[in-house]
Amino acid sequence: DTGVSQDPRHKITKRGQNVTFRCDPISEHNRLYWYRQTLGQGPEFLTYFQNEAQLEKSRLLSDRFSAERPKGSFSTLEIQRTEQGDSAMYLCASSLGQGEAETQYFGPGTRLLVL
Amino acid sequence: GQNIDQPTEMTATEGAIVQINCTYQTSGFNGLFWYQQHAGEAPTFLSYNVLDGLEEKGRFSSFLSRSKGYSYLLLKELQMKDSASYLCAVMDSNYQLIWGAGTKLIIKP
Repeated sequence: DTGVSQDPRHKITKRGQNVTFRCDPISEHNRLYWYRQTLGQGPEFLTYFQNEAQLEKSRLLSDRFSAERPKGSFSTLEIQRTEQGDSAMYLCASSLGQGEAETQYFGPGTRLLVL
Repeated sequence: GQNIDQPTEMTATEGAIVQINCTYQTSGFNGLFWYQQHAGEAPTFLSYNVLDGLEEKGRFSSFLSRSKGYSYLLLKELQMKDSASYLCAVMDSNYQLIWGAGTKLIIKP
């Protein structure tokens, strides 16, 4: 079992550019979550999928953010027209998706710096 | 609103015991999680409590009192590698995790 993986691990971009991150969950996990974390804070929920269906999206998430999970396996998170305030660690987590109160297992994260 | 409170920072000595407290006010309760996060790394799962009482797992134990909206994480026989942030998270009525800001634990020799 290789755990949750994310790519890239680090991304530096200029303001206004688009970026895309990828997450591969644990193979038998049906649920996939995206979070954002800034220094000294806990993770902030962005969105989650049950298989390929996006079931919830944070109201804090602007229209510049979009996520997909087309085949119910890996997921991508795209940020369009990046702003300096988007600089953060973007975390992906997965869980089995067979119950309701399940443990989420996190990937190593993608650290984004917007200049 | 929903709120999770935990101390910002704690310091302890190698070999000692430390207790990290967490209080919460959430819309519904479906369990409380503790995660460990080393600097620059992702959170790793430590424990889950949904019923009142103490759950022991090696050097780490976690306690829950639902009536008081209170939990603590107890770390025994502290090692230098335990220096990390410890995150408390509550699963609310929508099965979403509500996270505290984390407690940075500094271990001194």
